[in-house]
Amino acid sequence: DVKVTQSSRYLVKRTGEKVFLECVQDMDHENMFWYRQDPGLGLRLIYFSYDVKMKEKGDIPEGYSVSREKKERFSLILESASTNQTSMYLCASNGGPSYEQYFGPGTRLTVT
Amino acid sequence: AQSVTQPDIHITVSEGASLELRCNYSYGATPYLFWYVQSPGQGLQLLLKYFSGDTLVQGIKGFEAEFKRSQSSFNLRKPSVHWSDAAEYVCAGVPGGYQKVTFGIGTKLQVIP
Repeated sequence: DVKVTQSSRYLVKRTGEKVFLECVQDMDHENMFWYRQDPGLGLRLIYFSYDVKMKEKGDIPEGYSVSREKKERFSLILESASTNQTSMYLCASNGGPSYEQYFGPGTRLTVT
Repeated sequence: AQSVTQPDIHITVSEGASLELRCNYSYGATPYLFWYVQSPGQGLQLLLKYFSGDTLVQGIKGFEAEFKRSQSSFNLRKPSVHWSDAAEYVCAGVPGGYQKVTFGIGTKLQVIP
C-alpha cells in the first residue's frame, strides 16, 4: 500500500510566523503535489514537483514556496503566515504513467 | 477552461436507497477521470478510475461509475447506501499527457436511517 504521511494533523500558528508542512511518501513516486482545500472551492493546486529539486507553480502559489531535496519528501513553506492561509492542506504523490494520486491525511492549519 | 463540475453540493439519501452522484467534464479529448471519497478530517481515497475501454467502471466499497461521452458525464452510483458511506465525494479529471488534475468542489453525502 502506498503511504503518504504529513507531519501534523492540526497546526495553529500566529500571523507572520514561518510555517513548514512536511510530506513523505514511501513508494518512490516521481511526482508530488501540495493542495489546499476550502469549502466551496474544492482542491486547488499550490505547487508540484516532478523530480528532486524541481518544482512548478500550480494555480495559487502566491505566499507559498516548496522544497524537494529528497525524492520521498516534499515540504510546503509559508514564509509569513497570514489569516487567509487558514485551510486544510493536502499532500499527494503519483508515479509513472498513472495519473491517480495518493493523498496524505491532511494538515488543518489555523493562522490567528 | 478544462474542468470537472459537480452540480450537487449536498445530497441526503436514506440508508438502503440507491445513490447517484453527478460529475460533468469539459475536456476536448477523452480525459482520465476519477472518483475519490473523503471522510471527515481525512485525505482523499481513490474509489475508481476511468482511463479507456469499458465505460462502466467498478470500484471499491461497492461503487461503480459510467463514462458517457455523449453527455460529458462520469456519474458515480451505488445500488444500496450504507450509513458508513456518509462522506464527501470528489470527482477529478485530467487530459491525457498532463499531470495537473482538476478536482470538482465535492458532493457531501448524508445518510439518514
